[in-house]
Amino acid sequence: GQSLEQPSEVTAVEGAIVQINCTYQTSGFYGLSWYQQHDGGAPTFLSYNALDGLEETGRFSSFLSRSDSYGYLLLQELQMKDSASYFCAVRTNQAGTALIFGKGTTLSVSS
Amino acid sequence: GAVVSQHPSRVICKSGTSVKIECRSLDFQATTMFWYRQFPKQSLMLMATSNEGSKATYEQGVEKDKFLINHASLTLSTLTVTSAHPEDSSFYICSARDQRHYEQYFGPGTRLTVT
Repeated sequence: GQSLEQPSEVTAVEGAIVQINCTYQTSGFYGLSWYQQHDGGAPTFLSYNALDGLEETGRFSSFLSRSDSYGYLLLQELQMKDSASYFCAVRTNQAGTALIFGKGTTLSVSS
Repeated sequence: GAVVSQHPSRVICKSGTSVKIECRSLDFQATTMFWYRQFPKQSLMLMATSNEGSKATYEQGVEKDKFLINHASLTLSTLTVTSAHPEDSSFYICSARDQRHYEQYFGPGTRLTVT
């Protein structure tokens, strides 16, 4: 089967740094994406890693280790508006097969 | 760029009726679109993959006669929920793959409530 594991909930305070981990087991792997979803909204794309290493985009960074089937999303300088669900998703081939999503991590940021 | 729209954003219908949801790629052509369903506090579950000009591919456990998908053009795919029941109430989200590369872009979703 195919599975992605990520913590169900994470809490933090404003200004802190949070890391959300994702381990995956899929029949194919082309890349790992991260999406943010606020209550009632659609997922919005945050980042994508196809190669090992760290990708930085502003306050958000994403890391991938293909040999460990592991990645994480790092959120820095947390703000209240970062409270949302975060999903990791695996692209299993280049041809555009739909993404396989993890169950999501609910991040709650308090003041 | 890369905008995907869905219509309607919210719909309430009575049990036994059918509902059509449209997914449009506004500024790019999408040979492939995907339909997901998401129940409250849960992940996105792929329902079907829609390819322009051909039959959709449904995931295991998804009734193709109940969830009719049509992808008649490079910018439009429709999902029709036939004979809707309260258990079909959910958030339906489409995504479209830009045929120039392989990025997927999500629509804003349609919240369906069946009474």
